Amino acid sequence: ILNVEQSPQSLHVQEGDSTNFTCSFPSSNFYALHWYRWETAKSPEALFVMTLNGDEKKKGRISATLNTKEGYSYLYIKGSQPEDSATYLCAFSAYGSYQLTFGKGTKLSVIP
Amino acid sequence: GAVVSQHPSWVICKSGTSVKIECRSLDFQATTMFWYRQFPKQSLMLMATSNEGSKATYEQGVEKDKFLINHASLTLSTLTVTSAHPEDSSFYICSARAEQGALETQYFGPGTRLLVL
Repeated sequence: ILNVEQSPQSLHVQEGDSTNFTCSFPSSNFYALHWYRWETAKSPEALFVMTLNGDEKKKGRISATLNTKEGYSYLYIKGSQPEDSATYLCAFSAYGSYQLTFGKGTKLSVIP
Repeated sequence: GAVVSQHPSWVICKSGTSVKIECRSLDFQATTMFWYRQFPKQSLMLMATSNEGSKATYEQGVEKDKFLINHASLTLSTLTVTSAHPEDSSFYICSARAEQGALETQYFGPGTRLLVL
């Protein structure tokens, strides 16, 4: 059974603060790590797909890093805004499989 | 691009009835779609992988006769919960596999909340 852990489970930040959260995943047989942003009543939105150790991706104020050797990825949000409030999911895919194994998510609330 | 719709968004039904959920890729063709289920405070759990024109592949512990999956076209997969019972009440969400450049990712529908009374 593949284990994908996300921490913290939830957090509240003030508008303008920067924040980050963690996804840990199996380091063996790694193929890709996916980050999704999921707002209530909407579809999860694909943010990043990362495959290379040491890779860093950026989309506006959101960025992510990847360490496949130790099995973790960080998601950073710079200058949080209320519209960043959502649940952020990470998902692991193993080599040779299309299937995604998800963590439970980190629920971010940005307080105006 | 890469929009996936899911219908209905919520359904309440009586125990013993069957419920059909549709998942459509609106602007791309998806040879593979996935069905997930999420119970409260749990992660999305894969139920089955749906391949166009062939039988679905079910995860361990998921009853194929209870959760019927049909993927008759490249843009539509359906999940039918047969003879639903209260323990089937959950959040069901589909995704469709698509390529994003050289990488593949899954694009999700908005989900269906099922309540069985």
